[in-house]
Amino acid sequence: AQSVSQHNHHVILSEAASLELGCNYSYGGTVNLFWYVQYPGQHLQLLLKYFSGDPLVKGIKGFEAEFIKSKFSFNLRKPSVQWSDTAEYFCAVNAREDGNNRKLIWGLGTSLAVNP
Amino acid sequence: NAGVTQTPKFRVLKTGQSMTLLCAQDMNHEYMYWYRQDPGMGLRLIHYSVGEGTTAKGEVPDGYNVSRLKKQNFLLGLESAAPSQTSVYFCASSYIAGGNEQFFGPGTRLTVL
Repeated sequence: AQSVSQHNHHVILSEAASLELGCNYSYGGTVNLFWYVQYPGQHLQLLLKYFSGDPLVKGIKGFEAEFIKSKFSFNLRKPSVQWSDTAEYFCAVNAREDGNNRKLIWGLGTSLAVNP
Repeated sequence: NAGVTQTPKFRVLKTGQSMTLLCAQDMNHEYMYWYRQDPGMGLRLIHYSVGEGTTAKGEVPDGYNVSRLKKQNFLLGLESAAPSQTSVYFCASSYIAGGNEQFFGPGTRLTVL
């Protein structure tokens, strides 16, 4: 079965530190890739997405992610985090050629706490 | 354009009671989803629908039923609530050409005593 793995469950950083959250998936075919963010007490919002083209994608609030096909990875980065980035971050994958391509496969999430 | 809305926002039930959660979207999306979110378990898909009049089971469907009589609405029912169904429930929708980018509602926090 397809799966998405987020390696870091809890991350604590100080403001201005750099961030990298790992995401790996197990599907070998063509994929659409997503990072969602959930601020405390809120619903999930799209941070960025990759469908095709330039493997380095930029999202909102200074976030970016790099798709490395050979490593089945889609890691999220931000050069300098802010206190307001405190949130839970979810990686999700859509296997485009799979019969179940109407669904997203979700990672378990990474909780990020940024200390002021 | 309200996006995805959910009713109610909060609810407390006693074991054995029933209730229906309503999800509505005004984006004319074909696909709709119900998830539950529990600490440390991420998002788990309960049921989903790929069009009006269709529903399918997700990974945790037991104890829940759904209906999609109108394209814009997706109802989630609990026939006999159990404490294990205490959770935050999120509805989402997506469109066929959107690569399955999902748009989420604000959530319903359900407590079953």
